[in-house]
Amino acid sequence: AQSVAQPEDQVNVAEGNPLTVKCTYSVSGNPYLFWYVQYPNRGLQFLLKYITGDNLVKGSYGFEAEFNKSQTSFHLKKPSALVSDSALYFCAVRDSDNFNKFYFGSGTKLNVKP
Amino acid sequence: AAGVIQSPRHLIKEKRETATLKCYPIPRHDTVYWYQQGPGQDPQFLISFYEKMQSDKGSIPDRFSAQQFSDYHSELNMSSLELGDSALYFCASSFRLTNEQFFGPGTRLTVL
Repeated sequence: AQSVAQPEDQVNVAEGNPLTVKCTYSVSGNPYLFWYVQYPNRGLQFLLKYITGDNLVKGSYGFEAEFNKSQTSFHLKKPSALVSDSALYFCAVRDSDNFNKFYFGSGTKLNVKP
Repeated sequence: AAGVIQSPRHLIKEKRETATLKCYPIPRHDTVYWYQQGPGQDPQFLISFYEKMQSDKGSIPDRFSAQQFSDYHSELNMSSLELGDSALYFCASSFRLTNEQFFGPGTRLTVL
């Protein structure tokens, strides 16, 4: 079965410091991995995706994620956090056998303090 | 750029009533997905449609049904509403050959 795990319910970081939001996955085939951000009372916004190619993927708002096949991880990173980055972040995996099904992680709340 | 449109944005119903949620995908997107997000929870996949045919089914209750029309918009019909159906319902769309889904702003359903 396909699944995604986000081990941290909450991540706290000071503004200007680097941030990491963790995600691990389990898939039967090739993983298609995504990060989405959700602001309060808003829809999910696409940040970045990994399909194939370079393991370091760059996305919107200065975010990037590193695909690590041996550790089955796809951690979200940003070199310097902003207070406006505070939001809920979801990792998701798409089933390579069934293109239509998305599996979301439980979400990680990122708090960036001034 | 055009985004996914959902209507209504807010809906209040009473138990045992019915509700219809509408979703208008991004132009040229042929696939629509419905998700339910309860308070403090991650989005749960309900159902998806590709080219007007149901393509996959998730945790959608039997009381709910959905369809995709010839203009690619989709409607989620919810009957015999229960208190537990109160949630944020997201629609997303994608073009089949690409992978990212683009989400609408959601419809907040409150069942009293």
